[in-house]
Amino acid sequence: AQSVTQPDIHITVSEGASLELRCNYSYGATPYLFWYVQSPGQGLQLLLKYFSGDTLVQGIKGFEAEFKRSQSSFNLRKPSVHWSDAAEYFCAVGSTGNQFYFGTGTSLTVIP
Amino acid sequence: DGGITQSPKYLFRKEGQNVTLSCEQNLNHDAMYWYRQDPGQGLRLIYYSQIVNDFQKGDIAEGYSVSREKKESFPLTVTSAQKNPTAFYLCASSTGGSARADTQYFGPGTRLTVL
Repeated sequence: AQSVTQPDIHITVSEGASLELRCNYSYGATPYLFWYVQSPGQGLQLLLKYFSGDTLVQGIKGFEAEFKRSQSSFNLRKPSVHWSDAAEYFCAVGSTGNQFYFGTGTSLTVIP
Repeated sequence: DGGITQSPKYLFRKEGQNVTLSCEQNLNHDAMYWYRQDPGQGLRLIYYSQIVNDFQKGDIAEGYSVSREKKESFPLTVTSAQKNPTAFYLCASSTGGSARADTQYFGPGTRLTVL
């Protein structure tokens, strides 16, 4: 069965520090993978996606993610976090039949 | 400007009442989705529709109903049978029409509170 796990419920980083948010998936075939960001009271905004090709994917707002098939992971990274990056982050996998499976999210707090 | 609109942004309901949440998209997407979001539980799928006049139950469809009479519209009704409807509701759409899931785009959400 398809599933997505985000092991970290909450992460706190200092402004300017690097960030890595973890995502592990379970899917039988080559997955379609997504990272979304959600500010409080808002909808989800797509940060980046991986369908095929280069396993290092660049997204908006300076984020990138790396697909590692051997580890079933799609971790999100940013080299220098800004206070405006404080939000909830969701990893998702797209499946056959236009189904999507979301992780439970990681809440990011940025300390000045 | 293409996108997904949801209305209202905030909705208050008395116990025993049915309420309908609106979702409209002008992206020409075939597939539309409704999710419920509660703190610490991520997104849970309520209903989805791959094409006009067709829809399927998601993981938590009990107490909800939908219709898909037009491609651009996918309203969600929260019925009195839904025992705990207070939540944040998100509508999404994707191109659909293929075997694999393409990118989902989300609306701004509706926060429903039962008084």
